[in-house]
Amino acid sequence: EAEVAQSPRYKITEKSQAVAFWCDPISGHATLYWYRQILGQGPELLVQFQDESVVDDSQLPKDRFSAERLKGVDSTLKIQPAELGDSAMYLCASSLLGLQETQYFGPGTRLLVL
Amino acid sequence: QQQVKQSPQSLIVQKGGISIINCAYENTAFDYFPWYQQFPGKGPALLIAIRPDVSEKKEGRFTISFNKSAKQFSLHIMDSQPGDSATYFCAASAKTGANNLFFGTGTRLTVIP
Repeated sequence: EAEVAQSPRYKITEKSQAVAFWCDPISGHATLYWYRQILGQGPELLVQFQDESVVDDSQLPKDRFSAERLKGVDSTLKIQPAELGDSAMYLCASSLLGLQETQYFGPGTRLLVL
Repeated sequence: QQQVKQSPQSLIVQKGGISIINCAYENTAFDYFPWYQQFPGKGPALLIAIRPDVSEKKEGRFTISFNKSAKQFSLHIMDSQPGDSATYFCAASAKTGANNLFFGTGTRLTVIP
């Protein structure tokens, strides 16, 4: 069964350092989402791509976060500089067309900022 | 501001019992209401979803009840099993805009053998 791949699974960094997360969606899925999930809360959308274009990044803290999906396949989310409040699970999801069909989530990257 | 409010925060049920989780929303543009199940260390996985043209949807032991006038929907897990122990999230999205999913805060379900 096809799955969304994410790496690394865990990341510990010091504040003010740069971190990057990678996501490989299910093959053929045009829509890719990055979510942030704080412990004990539901996922919150950071950015949504349709192929290589950003559809919605209204909740992305653009002063420190950036995301790209250059060839419309895999994607990278970067934080520079990391802050203590960025400690969370970062989830990637993909869907076929982004039209309210099922979003398939990866296992996430757990980030701890010290 | 939380777009979807979920309760209870945690729930303990005996094996064979019924688990009920409730969600409420304000945005009348929402027209797709999925429930996701998340096990520790894993990403959420779609469990069941409903659209507002029906008041109930059943898949096996899982049923969504939807009350459009009250802007509420709930998940019922019949004959709850220890393997159902997980965190459950309700969510909602609207066809307008970017189809973003707005998640509730989650309910940690524990089914006692």
